[in-house]
Amino acid sequence: DGGITQSPKYLFRKEGQNVTLSCEQNLNHDAMYWYRQDPGQGLRLIYYSQIVNDFQKGDIAEGYSVSREKKESFPLTVTSAQKNPTAFYLCASTSSLGRSGTEAYGYTFGSGTRLTVV
Amino acid sequence: GQSLEQPSEVTAVEGAIVQINCTYQTSGFYGLSWYQQHDGGAPTFLSYNALDGLEETGRFSSFLSRSDSYGYLLLQELQMKDSASYFCAVRYTGGFKTIFGAGTRLFVKA
Repeated sequence: DGGITQSPKYLFRKEGQNVTLSCEQNLNHDAMYWYRQDPGQGLRLIYYSQIVNDFQKGDIAEGYSVSREKKESFPLTVTSAQKNPTAFYLCASTSSLGRSGTEAYGYTFGSGTRLTVV
Repeated sequence: GQSLEQPSEVTAVEGAIVQINCTYQTSGFYGLSWYQQHDGGAPTFLSYNALDGLEETGRFSSFLSRSDSYGYLLLQELQMKDSASYFCAVRYTGGFKTIFGAGTRLFVKA
């Protein structure tokens, strides 16, 4: 079955450490996104990518970095510059945003990675 | 600015009908979407309104009025499994960013 796989499900980071969250999709979707969710809050966009080798900053990109070397993969690195990284991270994808009818199918989300600073 | 407002919590009894409202401050967007998220899980897409009016999908219906900058999600014949958070979302024209509301936590009581 097609879907998005995020790993690991739980991740613990020490102060000053960089960590990378994996996101893989087999939906043949062009666009991929990273969102951060804090308790009791909505989703905030970190980065998004519309095509391979291209990505754009979202609303809260500081302290994060991404790459999009393959259509299927969009890993997120949480760097030591991110001072408050403890949160639930969600990866999502959609088919090409320029394609008619895309909105009607919404985003497909992965099951998330819960990152905790220890 | 661009923002969506939802009530933080709603409580209803099993078998009842509940309406979750979403008001927005923006112009030029493609439509209003709704997502469901159970605790610790991923959001799942429920519905999308491109045009004004009511869209029905089983027990769930969603409504949009662009003139009133308002939409809602209607859940009928509530079940315990409907206890979850519900988010409204819009994507703005001229961009590729979707904005999500803060979510409404629905508690269904027996």
